[in-house]
Amino acid sequence: QSVLTQPPSASGTPGQRVTISCSGSRSNIGSNPVNWYQHLPGTAPKLLIYSKSQRPSGVPDRFSGSRSGTSASLAISGLQSEDEADYYCESWDDSLNGWVFGGGTKVTVL
Amino acid sequence: EVQLFESGGGPLQPGGSLRLSCEASGFKLSFYAMHWVRQAPGKGLEWVSSVSPTSDNIFYADSVRGRFAISRDNSNNMLYLEMSSLRAEDSATYYCARDRDQYGTFDYWGQGTLVTVSS
Repeated sequence: QSVLTQPPSASGTPGQRVTISCSGSRSNIGSNPVNWYQHLPGTAPKLLIYSKSQRPSGVPDRFSGSRSGTSASLAISGLQSEDEADYYCESWDDSLNGWVFGGGTKVTVL
Repeated sequence: EVQLFESGGGPLQPGGSLRLSCEASGFKLSFYAMHWVRQAPGKGLEWVSSVSPTSDNIFYADSVRGRFAISRDNSNNMLYLEMSSLRAEDSATYYCARDRDQYGTFDYWGQGTLVTVSS
């Protein structure tokens, strides 16, 4: 059971918008930055979104993040086949004194 | 170019010990906090441990505290994870990751090294 809760799967057709939620608590998302990662099996995870919806260089602006209270979300607009991957949210937890990940959401492009 | 390369993984029996290494290149290791993150087969990412740039702040996940020890050698651009009293549930691919801002923003990751604990 992960400290941060994500839906196990999400899907959409090419061009659609897909949103992934990440639910936490006051000790993590409620008081600390949230980061999002994309992970393709057999490869190194990739930072997608950090801090206040910032994107590292090279990440398309189709990816955006937001946070409200103790929840955060990642939106992928204009879904493309190469977006098929696992997506994870992550944050610091003040109670656990450590970093925590969501359980991951597998995005499928139909 | 920033690169991280993990090594040291392999098969071993429960109760055994192993040291993982992560060689950093393309940046000055002493400027960054570093982390170990693992992924068990078929599972999600799990943060394991972190060390600040000068090793004065070290954190561990509850699942490994007392059994794992993180360390670094900035002069040789190396990060380590000493693992002991290994259990089947420690079987995973272990990634080292750079923290861009000491707030747990993992901006570069290695390709990982696989640890398999089985009798």
